[in-house]
Amino acid sequence: GQQLNQSPQSMFIQEGEDVSMNCTSSSIFNTWLWYKQDPGEGPVLLIALYKAGELTSNGRLTAQFGITRKDSFLNISASIPSDVGIYFCAGGLTNAGKSTFGDGTTLTVKP
Amino acid sequence: AAGVIQSPRHLIKEKRETATLKCYPIPRHDTVYWYQQGPGQDPQFLISFYEKMQSDKGSIPDRFSAQQFSDYHSELNMSSLELGDSALYFCASSPQGNYGYTFGSGTRLTVV
Repeated sequence: GQQLNQSPQSMFIQEGEDVSMNCTSSSIFNTWLWYKQDPGEGPVLLIALYKAGELTSNGRLTAQFGITRKDSFLNISASIPSDVGIYFCAGGLTNAGKSTFGDGTTLTVKP
Repeated sequence: AAGVIQSPRHLIKEKRETATLKCYPIPRHDTVYWYQQGPGQDPQFLISFYEKMQSDKGSIPDRFSAQQFSDYHSELNMSSLELGDSALYFCASSPQGNYGYTFGSGTRLTVV
């Protein structure tokens, strides 16, 4: 089936630093989504991307839908301690309700 | 704002027992999804429903079944539980065609 590869698997950064993570797939998606998950909680949608090339921001977060439709990246600027968590990308296809999740990037922010 | 409600939050069952997980979607969301997340794993899609009909099926074991009721709530029924079924089970809902789901807080199932 479709697989999404996220990198890096984990990141340890200082508070205030910028973060960049990406997601690649061997197949195309029509939708790219970025979620954040805190321990023991459900993933929370951060940004949804619906068009190839689309660049969308949500506060300190910026994400882009790759032109090839096989990749996406998420940037976090000026990280703060509450950014800690696992970030998942997910890809969706038209007429298929499910999203396929990447394997996650674990972010640790040192104060 | 109302969120996706899942119950119970925690469930402990013995092997070979049966479990029922419930999900109450956000009002006016007509699509419900179930995901399973093992320890340290990404969420794996199990099954989805749109307007009370199954709309997509993923890696759901035959021992599991699910349905969506007339009030749009959904139940995941799991029989002959195995140790490997221990996981977080998430329900998510969305309006049809919107991939930006809202997830519930999950049910942590432990099979002993």
